[in-house]
Amino acid sequence: QVLLVESGGGLVTPGGSLRLSCAASGFNLSDFYMSWIRQAPGTGLEWISYIKTGDSPVYYGDSVKGRFTISRDSANNSLYLQMNSLRAEDTAVYYCARLLRYDFWSGSYYHYQYVDVWGKGTAVAVSS
Amino acid sequence: EIVLTQTPATLSLSPGERATLSCRASQSVSSNLAWYQQKPGQAPRLLIYDASNRATGIPARFSGSGSGTDFTLTISSLEPEDFAIYYCQQRNSWQFTFGPGTKVDVK
Repeated sequence: QVLLVESGGGLVTPGGSLRLSCAASGFNLSDFYMSWIRQAPGTGLEWISYIKTGDSPVYYGDSVKGRFTISRDSANNSLYLQMNSLRAEDTAVYYCARLLRYDFWSGSYYHYQYVDVWGKGTAVAVSS
Repeated sequence: EIVLTQTPATLSLSPGERATLSCRASQSVSSNLAWYQQKPGQAPRLLIYDASNRATGIPARFSGSGSGTDFTLTISSLEPEDFAIYYCQQRNSWQFTFGPGTKVDVK
């Protein structure tokens, strides 16, 4: 069964740091594009970071660029989000997301930038 | 950044009725658009990708159409479990963005 389980959320004061983790099971995380997407209370969805396979560049939204770092650990089959210099506006539920991949019969792949597997999310609250 | 606008904000319908949801992009995204469904307390679920392709396990009553800047999600006959919020999302260029959502509620 394909599953993503986030952890590491909690209450932090402004300027503080948190590290979110996402444990994947049922698939090899290194074979898929992965992302972190957040949803502030009662509002819509914001795509904040994106990592491809291999050593490709990573991407960040303007709202988190320079403060957040996405990374991947193949040995632990896990995705991480290091969040520094946290602000009140970073308060949200953070979702770990696997991006859709189409597998051709030939064994090659096509990676889409749509989410086909979501974790349940971990809540982050930034408040003094 | 490509801005997605969804209309209407709320759609009040009865079970069995047809739902038509719209998503407009601030510039062309070709067919690089998806639709998701989100219920309270749950993560979103992928319904449609590349404008018109149903994701695995999605019932045939959900269909998507459009290209360029104008897109439509149609639910042919609403089931009780379809009352939810629906978001569109573009992948044409980074920063990938979501629309603000359309809430489909019971009339």
